[in-house]
Amino acid sequence: QSVLTQPPSASGTPGQRVTISCSGSSSNIGSNTVNWYQQLPGTAPKLLIYSNNQRPSGVPDRFSGSKSGTSASLAISGLQSEDEADYYCAAWDDSLNGLFGGGTKLTVL
Amino acid sequence: QVQLQESGPGLVKPSQTLSLTCTVSGGSISSGSYYWSWIRQPAGKGLEWIGRIYTSGSTNYNPSLKSRVTISVDTSKNQFSLKLSSVTAADTAVYYCARDVVINWYFDLWGRGTLVTVSS
Repeated sequence: QSVLTQPPSASGTPGQRVTISCSGSSSNIGSNTVNWYQQLPGTAPKLLIYSNNQRPSGVPDRFSGSKSGTSASLAISGLQSEDEADYYCAAWDDSLNGLFGGGTKLTVL
Repeated sequence: QVQLQESGPGLVKPSQTLSLTCTVSGGSISSGSYYWSWIRQPAGKGLEWIGRIYTSGSTNYNPSLKSRVTISVDTSKNQFSLKLSSVTAADTAVYYCARDVVINWYFDLWGRGTLVTVSS
């Protein structure tokens, strides 16, 4: 069981807005930044959001991140079929350990 | 552009040591802005951070694996390596190497991953 808690699944229809939550504690999300990764089937993860809300070059602005206290969220607006993937949150822990959430499988209906 | 490529045996016997190498191409591993990390993913499961190394040799390891993990770097070959000892079937996974940005701990570049199966 992961220290960072994500819902195992999420879904939406094309064009909808979907959010994925990530809950941690004061020693990880509460005191460090949160990053999000997208993993398409059969591929390596790809950085989607870093430092809570920053998008790497090439990531559409449909993807946004936020953090409040010991929780974070990834929002995807204007959902598209190619967004169907697994999404992972991640944060450094003050115990000098890197943590990933358990992952959320996003289905586009 | 910078690319990462994992290499090593795809099959390891139980109780033996898993050894993988990540080769960095298109840039220097000695860039001061990055750590170099290993991450693994069992089939159908989530990601697990194994550990990381800075080119000075400084390391951090996942406490749950620390007693069995060694990560090393060879700057002359632009490579870093993972050794995981006393493996069991639970260590069967796709192993990724990744570039780890020093500030704010995130992986901006990943290798394609390599499957390591632990079986006799």
